[in-house]
Amino acid sequence: SQQGEEDPQALSIQEGENATMNCSYKTSINNLQWYRQNSGRGLVHLILIRSNEREKHSGRLRVTLDTSKKSSSLLITASRAADTASYFCATDLGITPLVFGKGTRLSVIA
Amino acid sequence: GAVVSQHPSWVICKSGTSVKIECRSLDFQATTMFWYRQFPKQSLMLMATSNEGSKATYEQGVEKDKFLINHASLTLSTLTVTSAHPEDSSFYICSARDSSYSNQPQHFGDGTRLSIL
Repeated sequence: SQQGEEDPQALSIQEGENATMNCSYKTSINNLQWYRQNSGRGLVHLILIRSNEREKHSGRLRVTLDTSKKSSSLLITASRAADTASYFCATDLGITPLVFGKGTRLSVIA
Repeated sequence: GAVVSQHPSWVICKSGTSVKIECRSLDFQATTMFWYRQFPKQSLMLMATSNEGSKATYEQGVEKDKFLINHASLTLSTLTVTSAHPEDSSFYICSARDSSYSNQPQHFGDGTRLSIL
């Protein structure tokens, strides 16, 4: 069963704009991970944020985690056409496999 | 960084054929690997957890006799789709996690697109 739910399901923006995707989950977690998937390809790991962390940065990516609300957000700043992909959050409960949300399809228009 | 190699990337075959997909962790050991199935524009659905040296753990609704999993070494897991039919056509993705550390991301193969005619 899926634990994470991304919002929005689809997002279309102009190049240079920021893109924000949200993820909600249901149970306590060890960490939460964000992945990108280009069409027809496997998943690429973007950021892992542990349950005791609140914010993490990696280049143009910023991830926040609010364990009290059981939610996370992924911000992509100064988006590029190459950022066009599906983005998934996944919750890690420690000993069980990752559980993925439904994903957000991001389209960045040049 | 850690890499997972999945092969083949694309298979087209006739109904009734058995298809084997390989998943290798190239620079780390993985006592556990995972097999997912993904339909177009949908999320990844976990099919089974592959455990090195023991039987795989299948998710509810996944036929273990249909999807045979073998994890004979710390770097290789295989998924065999037996007597494949058109409804088995899908995108199959494997992943692995470095067994040596906790709080590590899963690393994914590039997926196998299976088309059964």
